[in-house]
Amino acid sequence: KNQVEQSPQSLIILEGKNCTLQCNYTVSPFSNLRWYKQDTGRGPVSLTIMTFSENTKSNGRYTATLDADTKQSSLHITASQLSDSASYICVVKISGGYNKLIFGAGTRLAVHP
Amino acid sequence: DGGITQSPKYLFRKEGQNVTLSCEQNLNHDAMYWYRQDPGQGLRLIYYSQIVNDFQKGDIAEGYSVSREKKESFPLTVTSAQKNPTAFYLCASSTQGHLQETQYFGPGTRLLVL
Repeated sequence: KNQVEQSPQSLIILEGKNCTLQCNYTVSPFSNLRWYKQDTGRGPVSLTIMTFSENTKSNGRYTATLDADTKQSSLHITASQLSDSASYICVVKISGGYNKLIFGAGTRLAVHP
Repeated sequence: DGGITQSPKYLFRKEGQNVTLSCEQNLNHDAMYWYRQDPGQGLRLIYYSQIVNDFQKGDIAEGYSVSREKKESFPLTVTSAQKNPTAFYLCASSTQGHLQETQYFGPGTRLLVL
C-alpha cells in the first residue's frame, strides 16, 4: 500500500531555533518527493521538489534531504521565524500515468517568541 | 494577478441539499484536481481532469460530481449522497507532461453541515 508517514505530528519551538521534520514513504514506483507548507485555512504552497537522484535541495532557510535507499526524507528549518508556524506536508508522486500524489498527514509546527 | 481562486471561503449545507464549490484558474494549466482534507489525514483525491470535457474519479469520488466545460473552470458538486461532507476542500491545477510538474493549490473552501 502506498503510504507517506510524517513525524512528529506536532512540534513547538522557540523563535530562532532550528528543527527537523521527518517523512518516511512506501510508494512505488517513485517519481519525486515534495515538501509543501500550509498556513492555517489556506492552500499548500510548494517548498522543494526532489527526484530520485537528488539528495539535498535548499530553498532559503528550508533544506530538504532525500535518501531513496531508506525511503526517508527530512525538512530542516534554520533560524525559525514566527511566520514558519504552519503545517508541513510531505508528498510523493507516483511515476507514470497522471499526476498521482500521495500526501502525508503533515507536521504542525508552532514557533513561539 | 495569476493563480487559482476558490469560492466561497465558507459554505453551509442543509440535509438533502446539493452544493457547488467553484474553482477557477488563469494559469493556462491543462490539469485540475479536487482534494478533500480532514483533520489528521493527508489530502485525498476526489476527481481530476487532464483536459477539457474529460475527468476521472479519484480515490473518494462517491457522493461528488464535477464538470470541465472550460479550461479555466472545474466546479465540484457535493451531492446529498455524500453523508459526511464536512471538510476543507482544495482545488489544484498543474501543467501536463512535465516530470517535475507542480500542483498549485487554491485557498480552499470549508464546507459545514447545518
